[in-house]
Amino acid sequence: EAGVTQFPSHSVIEKGQTVTLRCDPISGHDNLYWYRRVMGKEIKFLLHFVKESKQDESGMPNNRFLAERTGGTYSTLKVQPAELEDSGVYFCASSQGLTSGNNEQFFGPGTRLTVL
Amino acid sequence: RKEVEQDPGPFNVPEGATVAFNCTYSNSASQSFFWYRQDCRKEPKLLMSVYSSGNEDGRFTAQLNRASQYISLLIRDSKLSDSATYLCVVPFYNTDKLIFGTGTRLQVFP
Repeated sequence: EAGVTQFPSHSVIEKGQTVTLRCDPISGHDNLYWYRRVMGKEIKFLLHFVKESKQDESGMPNNRFLAERTGGTYSTLKVQPAELEDSGVYFCASSQGLTSGNNEQFFGPGTRLTVL
Repeated sequence: RKEVEQDPGPFNVPEGATVAFNCTYSNSASQSFFWYRQDCRKEPKLLMSVYSSGNEDGRFTAQLNRASQYISLLIRDSKLSDSATYLCVVPFYNTDKLIFGTGTRLQVFP
């Protein structure tokens, strides 16, 4: 069974540019999460989708970040315009959900974003 | 005070040693806890879940002390392949939002 996939694996952009990260969850997982780790800090929650709806977006840093999950399958996270402090590793995770009895979050390999 | 705190290490131990990591959490209402393992430049992977006083899985034992609000992870008979960063994770008020510690780095040497 394929795991969570993320694209691209690396992205280097200049300050002020726009970047879009993509996450494909495990097939059948209704829950999709975005996290990020900035240099020297712990992994932090950004937001949680249940199917196409945003369940919790309390971790989104500011309005330069826009996450979508149209159709409830893959998700995109767009940063516009990117700032230096946005550099870090962006992880996506997915889970079946509490009703399935197994809510383990499976993480993708991450997208390493560098803003110059 | 951070919601989840860990000693960053590194812990450098020889093969065969027993090593223990502690993690403290601030929310006394937390019900579930996790240890994730993260290899260098890889994604975190669930190692163990801790729901009651603790549980054991082979060489790994996780224990929970609710009164003192800490979780521990004990690794017996360390292997070279155990070298990784171990992340203590606590769901935020029992939601899906995971709160991560900074991780404890373990290096097992021959």
